[in-house]
Amino acid sequence: DAGVIQSPRHEVTEMGQEVTLRCKPISGHNSLFWYRQTMMRGLELLIYFNNNVPIDDSGMPEDRFSAKMPNASFSTLKIQPSEPRDSAVYFCASSSGTGPSPLHFGNGTRLTVT
Amino acid sequence: TQLLEQSPQFLSIQEGENLTVYCNSSSVFSSLQWYRQEPGEGPVLLVTVVTGGEVKKLKRLTFQFGDARKDSSLHITAAQPGDTGLYLCAGGPGYALNFGKGTSLLVTP
Repeated sequence: DAGVIQSPRHEVTEMGQEVTLRCKPISGHNSLFWYRQTMMRGLELLIYFNNNVPIDDSGMPEDRFSAKMPNASFSTLKIQPSEPRDSAVYFCASSSGTGPSPLHFGNGTRLTVT
Repeated sequence: TQLLEQSPQFLSIQEGENLTVYCNSSSVFSSLQWYRQEPGEGPVLLVTVVTGGEVKKLKRLTFQFGDARKDSSLHITAAQPGDTGLYLCAGGPGYALNFGKGTSLLVTP
């Protein structure tokens, strides 16, 4: 199994630009999660989907952030416009969503906004 | 949001030493999970504890879930350099997990 695949691994952009992060979950997993990790705040849950439907987006910091899951094998997290305080590592994770099932994380996208 | 506090934040020890890290909350959890994260990678699940008072062993790692299901501990016996990493506990009302900030462990030869 290929695991959760995220792209790009690194993204450097200027303030005000649009950024799109991509995620391919593990085949057969019906839940997908976007997390953000910083030294100050640790891992924060931004949004999660179940069967491609957004269930809870209360962790999305601002309207500048949006996430979509058009099908079971693809999700995007978009930031528009980006700001320096958005700099962080963004992780996508998937799970089978039954009981206390483990989260399988990708290797993250390190975003730097200058 | 169910908050998880982990301690210590940082721990630097020598190979062969024993250590314990803690995960505490004021909330009751139906289960807690422990993950280890290495630089440049995502967290990887180590164990899930479900029952209050439960003890699980994974080689030299021993995990315990508190009787009241509000806290958990991870004990490592005879730590090795390969144990170096960020140890995270996680729990949630459902399957969307909240994470503690982690304990960063460094084991030197």
